[in-house]
Amino acid sequence: DIVMTQGVLPNPVPSGESASITCRSSKSLVYKDGKTYLNWFLQRPGQSPQLLTYWMSTRASGVSDRFSGSGSGTYFTLKISRVRAEDAGVYYCQQVREYPLTFGSGTKLEIK
Amino acid sequence: EVQLVESGGGLVQPGASLKLSCVASGFTFSDYWMSWVRQTPGKTMEWIGDIKYDGSYTNYAPSLKNRFTISRDNAKSTLYLQMSNVRSEDTATYYCTRDKVGADYWGQGVMVTVSS
Repeated sequence: DIVMTQGVLPNPVPSGESASITCRSSKSLVYKDGKTYLNWFLQRPGQSPQLLTYWMSTRASGVSDRFSGSGSGTYFTLKISRVRAEDAGVYYCQQVREYPLTFGSGTKLEIK
Repeated sequence: EVQLVESGGGLVQPGASLKLSCVASGFTFSDYWMSWVRQTPGKTMEWIGDIKYDGSYTNYAPSLKNRFTISRDNAKSTLYLQMSNVRSEDTATYYCTRDKVGADYWGQGVMVTVSS
């Protein structure tokens, strides 16, 4: 199985600042079509997860352009610009490169 | 509006069976792969498996394949998760998801507690 390892944020992050969440995979997530099969989700307190980005850097419908995904084949970053109170929650990365699909352990973002 | 509504959870004894349902609305259910994902009380997310839009193919997490079965009824726009021989470690919130390029819609989740 592909192991997903997420970093820890130095919480809390002041409102208006930027935050970068990292995720590493134990195997390249680049498929033969050239796409990188890495998703990011946000789970706000008491809510279901919400898809933020797919194919590493493509924002899901309705997601603010303050969220941007980037990375290589095995190292990924989700950058949140000008953080707001509504961005607080736990962020999960997920690889969908191969079965079984696997998630990272989550990174908590707190806003000051 | 896309909606996914799970049901069928609750308190169940170890070794018992349980069937979860997820009723979909607001989109053409038969056009989409669907999945089940669970989240433990410690917030660990675990992908359980998925099913092709016509129900002809399924994939599972290897550790769950022998006890969990995913099925669907496109006429009823309903996804199912049959759980058998449940264990304490199956205690979690279970989500159904619609799969496009990612799990773009999630249900509100249903809690399953395995305890004697």
